[in-house]
Amino acid sequence: SQQGEEDPQALSIQEGENATMNCSYKTSINNLQWYRQNSGRGLVHLILIRSNEREKHSGRLRVTLDTSKKSSSLLITASRAADTASYFCATDATDSWGKLQFGAGTQVVVTP
Amino acid sequence: DVKVTQSSRYLVKRTGEKVFLECVQDMDHENMFWYRQDPGLGLRLIYFSYDVKMKEKGDIPEGYSVSREKKERFSLILESASTNQTSMYLCASRLQGADEQYFGPGTRLTVT
Repeated sequence: SQQGEEDPQALSIQEGENATMNCSYKTSINNLQWYRQNSGRGLVHLILIRSNEREKHSGRLRVTLDTSKKSSSLLITASRAADTASYFCATDATDSWGKLQFGAGTQVVVTP
Repeated sequence: DVKVTQSSRYLVKRTGEKVFLECVQDMDHENMFWYRQDPGLGLRLIYFSYDVKMKEKGDIPEGYSVSREKKERFSLILESASTNQTSMYLCASRLQGADEQYFGPGTRLTVT
């Protein structure tokens, strides 16, 4: 089953702008992770936020988590052409024994 | 750096053939996973393995089997390939108790 659902499905911005994407999920979680996938490649882990955290930063990435709304957002500040990729949220549900459930992803295109 | 390699980037097989997809990781990770990725559906877990000779069904195991005879290698087997198994297959590994998964580059399988 698909736990996380990203919104929007696609996003087109210019270099220097911020990109925001959202993820909603359905069950209680231990943590929520964001991954990036460049075209036709494997996924790369970006950032993890635990259920008892509300906000986390890593470089130009900022992730928030609202467990009451079962939602998370990923903000990429000052986007670069190299940020062009698909972004996936993945939830580690409390009863999942460490298995991740991935959403369908947000495709981000950053134009120079 | 963790490295996860997959035996082929692209593979074309005929309906009814037996297909082997190989995944090797070099960081002594206990856990390994096989996903398939289809447009609009994100990643779906086929099988996973907590350790050598251990395997557990994921969300969509039908038509697939796996083998984990050595810690570093996790094989996905399509017993009799069908056209609806045309997809991108991604392997991942994870250290037992850790959160982050490390992905291989993927194998794009086409069944004709």
